[in-house]
Amino acid sequence: LAKTTQPISMDSYEGQEVNITCSHNNIATNDYITWYQQFPSQGPRFIIQGYKTKVTNEVASLFIPADRKSSTLSLPRVSLSDTAVYYCLVGPMDSSYKLIFGSGTRLLVRP
Amino acid sequence: GAGVSQTPSNKVTEKGKYVELRCDPISGHTALYWYRQSLGQGPEFLIYFQGTGAADDSGLPNDRFFAVRPEGSVSTLKIQRTERGDSAVYLCASSYGGQGTRGELFFGEGSRLTVL
Repeated sequence: LAKTTQPISMDSYEGQEVNITCSHNNIATNDYITWYQQFPSQGPRFIIQGYKTKVTNEVASLFIPADRKSSTLSLPRVSLSDTAVYYCLVGPMDSSYKLIFGSGTRLLVRP
Repeated sequence: GAGVSQTPSNKVTEKGKYVELRCDPISGHTALYWYRQSLGQGPEFLIYFQGTGAADDSGLPNDRFFAVRPEGSVSTLKIQRTERGDSAVYLCASSYGGQGTRGELFFGEGSRLTVL
């Protein structure tokens, strides 16, 4: 499974756009990129998943360049409630979908 | 609808004791996962069930750890002769499973285990 590298922490202010970039140089052809969010004392929660180009949902956007060696999670106009740990994961989406988490990025949103 | 339910939410035990942690997945989900999360770290994969069978138990740290899912729904993680290093939050997740699905895992809130 491809290893991922993401910043340990990021700070932002309410209303700003936050972009968290994840590196996955060894991504395989059949790997998908998935992001999870985790609040204290809760389990991780799925945010978004993509394979290439751009994916957007009601929560975030995911940008994946053509070489797929990195990806960027974009959170528009963050609020205090977006303070959480964000995990980037890379792996095949088959019947044994085993997620391998790294240490994640701790996002702190300030008022 | 109901999410993944884990009990107990907190468990304090003494070194050497036996512990069981229970997970009740979302109804209809065939895949079930156990993860362990230490403070400040991401969740660490332990074991994955597809139906009743353990499809991948490569993450279990040693033979003190064992998990079952006898009827393909509820799962129990069993830890024998607990050690202080077993202290962590044990997370359970379930998914619809099967090839071609989105692969989204739904996590419970975890069982916090403290071994004194």
